[in-house]
Amino acid sequence: GQQVMQIPQYQHVQEGEDFTTYCNSSTTLSNIQWYKQRPGGHPVFLIQLVKSGEVKKQKRLTFQFGEAKKNSSLHITATQTTDVGTYFCAGLSNYQLIWGAGTKLIIKP
Amino acid sequence: DGGITQSPKYLFRKEGQNVTLSCEQNLNHDAMYWYRQDPGQGLRLIYYSQIVNDFQKGDIAEGYSVSREKKESFPLTVTSAQKNPTAFYLCASSIGVSSFGGYEQYFGPGTRLTVT
Repeated sequence: GQQVMQIPQYQHVQEGEDFTTYCNSSTTLSNIQWYKQRPGGHPVFLIQLVKSGEVKKQKRLTFQFGEAKKNSSLHITATQTTDVGTYFCAGLSNYQLIWGAGTKLIIKP
Repeated sequence: DGGITQSPKYLFRKEGQNVTLSCEQNLNHDAMYWYRQDPGQGLRLIYYSQIVNDFQKGDIAEGYSVSREKKESFPLTVTSAQKNPTAFYLCASSIGVSSFGGYEQYFGPGTRLTVT
């Protein structure tokens, strides 16, 4: 079946270091959405990418959609404690919204 | 305030009992969803509804049932047939069905169900 693989499962960083999570689809996506779930909370929509090669920025967050519309990434520059949580991608393909398993961002003490 | 409410936040039940989780939204959204999230895992779709009196099975519908009698409400019943019901259940809504138009989903705070 259709899958969206998200890696890594966890990423431990020192505060101030960068963080990146990647999503790769087995099929071409119409669009891709990104959500953030804080510990103990619920997912909150961050952004949607639609165009091939699209890059969008939200302050320290940079979202990219691949040229072939099969992969996407979220990059956080200079992580802060408020960035802690799990980041999910959700890709739309053949009228199905397929969720990645999420990448948990952990800030080392 | 517009949003989605789920109640209760924590729910404990004995094995063999059916339990109903409530989900209400005042966003005037047509589409509503139920997801299950297990520790350290992503979201799995249980059921979704794109309009009143209509709903469709998701990837893991077995052991669950839903109803959509009102636009605002989409309750989920976890039946005794569900083999591993202990999980975090999330309700969401969107203007239209996400799988048709890529609409963003708004999530409720979730219900943690523990069955012993």
